[in-house]
Amino acid sequence: GDSVTQMEGPVTLSEEAFLTINCTYTATGYPSLFWYVQYPGEGLQLLLKATKADDKGSNKGFEATYRKETTSFHLEKGSVQVSDSAVYFCALSSGGSNYKLTFGKGTLLTVNP
Amino acid sequence: GAVVSQHPSWVICKSGTSVKIECRSLDFQATTMFWYRQFPKQSLMLMATSNEGSKATYEQGVEKDKFLINHASLTLSTLTVTSAHPEDSSFYICSASFPTQFFGPGTRLTVL
Repeated sequence: GDSVTQMEGPVTLSEEAFLTINCTYTATGYPSLFWYVQYPGEGLQLLLKATKADDKGSNKGFEATYRKETTSFHLEKGSVQVSDSAVYFCALSSGGSNYKLTFGKGTLLTVNP
Repeated sequence: GAVVSQHPSWVICKSGTSVKIECRSLDFQATTMFWYRQFPKQSLMLMATSNEGSKATYEQGVEKDKFLINHASLTLSTLTVTSAHPEDSSFYICSASFPTQFFGPGTRLTVL
């Protein structure tokens, strides 16, 4: 079945540091890939997505590239801010964007000033 | 656009009572909504897929008689936790497809 393996956290960085959160997946066919962010006490917000190989999703300075050859979708940001502190979830959907999501376990990011 | 709301945002109830949680898509119609449960510091666990006008599809291990789901319109799905017990205390999150899934802010349920 589908699965998402996400980098174990927590991750603690200083402001303006470079961020990478690794995500690899197992799926049949060609899934759509997502990164969601959850701020404390809130629901999930879609951060970015990619629907086919070599697509790059980007938003708010975050980027992730759909790598079919390595089945990866790593999240990166060049310079993190304190406000980026949150839990980040990698997810996939095998049946198009309307189908149910399979989530990774989430990575807690804390950015210190 | 693509805003999903949940009500209530938090609820405390006594053991044995039932609690209803509403999930609404505010500015779009969603034929499919999803209900998740999230334990502290853990990922989301899909409970069921709710399709407008038909019965919900429950994931393995989720008791359909305990977690009643109704999707009566294209903008509203409800989750009723029946005869709630302390082990049902959790953070319940819904999402609506447009077609990408957009999530509600969640409902924290505490059963005393």
